Amino acid sequence: GAGVSQSPSNKVTEKGKDVELRCDPISGHTALYWYRQSLGQGLEFLIYFQGNSAPDKSGLPSDRFSAERTGGSVSTLTIQRTQQEDSAVYLCASSLLSGRGGETQYFGPGTRLLVL
Amino acid sequence: QKEVEQDPGPLSVPEGAIVSLNCTYSNSAFQYFMWYRQYSRKGPELLMYTYSSGNKEDGRFTAQVDKSSKYISLFIRDSQPSDSATYLCAMSGGSQGNLIFGKGTKLSVKP
Repeated sequence: GAGVSQSPSNKVTEKGKDVELRCDPISGHTALYWYRQSLGQGLEFLIYFQGNSAPDKSGLPSDRFSAERTGGSVSTLTIQRTQQEDSAVYLCASSLLSGRGGETQYFGPGTRLLVL
Repeated sequence: QKEVEQDPGPLSVPEGAIVSLNCTYSNSAFQYFMWYRQYSRKGPELLMYTYSSGNKEDGRFTAQVDKSSKYISLFIRDSQPSDSATYLCAMSGGSQGNLIFGKGTKLSVKP
């Protein structure tokens, strides 16, 4: 079946512009995660959604970052007033059930963001 | 100190060698330990999953967890050029849904 898909695959933007990144999780998966992978920094957790519960936003680096998940499926990560340090690969993952520790997370291919 | 430490390498080995990859961690609440493999310009894919301490073997891959030492390992036997990738350790615990990752070790297996 289809895996996690993300769009766009690449995004180049100018400093100060807003960007939206999209994630389509695996059908039927109730938990959805956003991570950021910067050069030399590994993957950093940003935010996660579990069903209709309030999202865990504890990893968002600033209030310029926000995310929403509509209808328990597709999610959009928005970065306002982009800065050069926002340049990274943004990865989305989904898991089947509760999002509690131990569930296998399936990753999308990522969106490569470059802020000039 | 970061919660998860992993030597970024790079690590270069000849084909057929045994590869040992390691991570240390500081949070004793971690119970679930994973190894992900990430090829260039791709998303990470789950390679091995272990709950609590012990060993798990899958083909040429063996994962070991030593919770008393807060140390996990991944061994690759008879390494192949197709194993060339970045290997990320990841872990989580309790009700925490998100994974905590190491920085990843870049492995190159030379024919």
